[in-house]
Amino acid sequence: AQTVTQSQPEMSVQEAETVTLSCTYDTSENNYYLFWYKQPPSRQMILVIRQEAYKQQNATENRFSVNFQKAAKSFSLKISDSQLGDTAMYFCAFMKHGVGAGSRLTFGEGTQLTVNP
Amino acid sequence: SAVISQKPSRDICQRGTSLTIQCQVDSQVTMMFWYRQQPGQSLTLIATANQGSEATYESGFVIDKFPISRPNLTFSTLTVSNMSPEDSSIYLCSVGNTWGGGEEKLFFGSGTQLSVL
Repeated sequence: AQTVTQSQPEMSVQEAETVTLSCTYDTSENNYYLFWYKQPPSRQMILVIRQEAYKQQNATENRFSVNFQKAAKSFSLKISDSQLGDTAMYFCAFMKHGVGAGSRLTFGEGTQLTVNP
Repeated sequence: SAVISQKPSRDICQRGTSLTIQCQVDSQVTMMFWYRQQPGQSLTLIATANQGSEATYESGFVIDKFPISRPNLTFSTLTVSNMSPEDSSIYLCSVGNTWGGGEEKLFFGSGTQLSVL
């Protein structure tokens, strides 16, 4: 079974600054996906960024980037130029390779990020 | 991506009653899942909704309590039966597919906030 751990229950950052959220995971799989989801107070789960384990290059999406360290089983999220709208709960998630094979998400406990003006 | 409509968005129910939650997707998808998010907690998978066959339940969840239907590739329902206050949670529908370019992703509906009195 897979486990995902987010060791930072809460974090805060000043607007326009950079913040890094940590995530570690444990798996015996070699092929898998890792995700960061954002959940604002509206409850909507929004996909922020996605990383395939077989890709060495770190994924980036505009102000969001990851530091994927496969050997260390670490998957941190960096948010640059933080904006007030980034305030939300952030969940790290793991999925075995192959949606069609019946894979689904295993979530970490979440990190509540607050961006201060 | 997919547009996922989840209804109702919230409800307040009496103990002992049942509530059916609907999840409608604007395109055919391979996988549909139901998650529960208890207050202040992360997401836990309830079951995988299988088209044309019985749902696959995770440990700790049973069909009598959470019956699920999936009559086609765009629609699923989750029923929370014989509710108690412990069932007060957010229930989220998630869909998975290969969204072009070989990328597999999972997206979420906006969730149903259930309160049981």
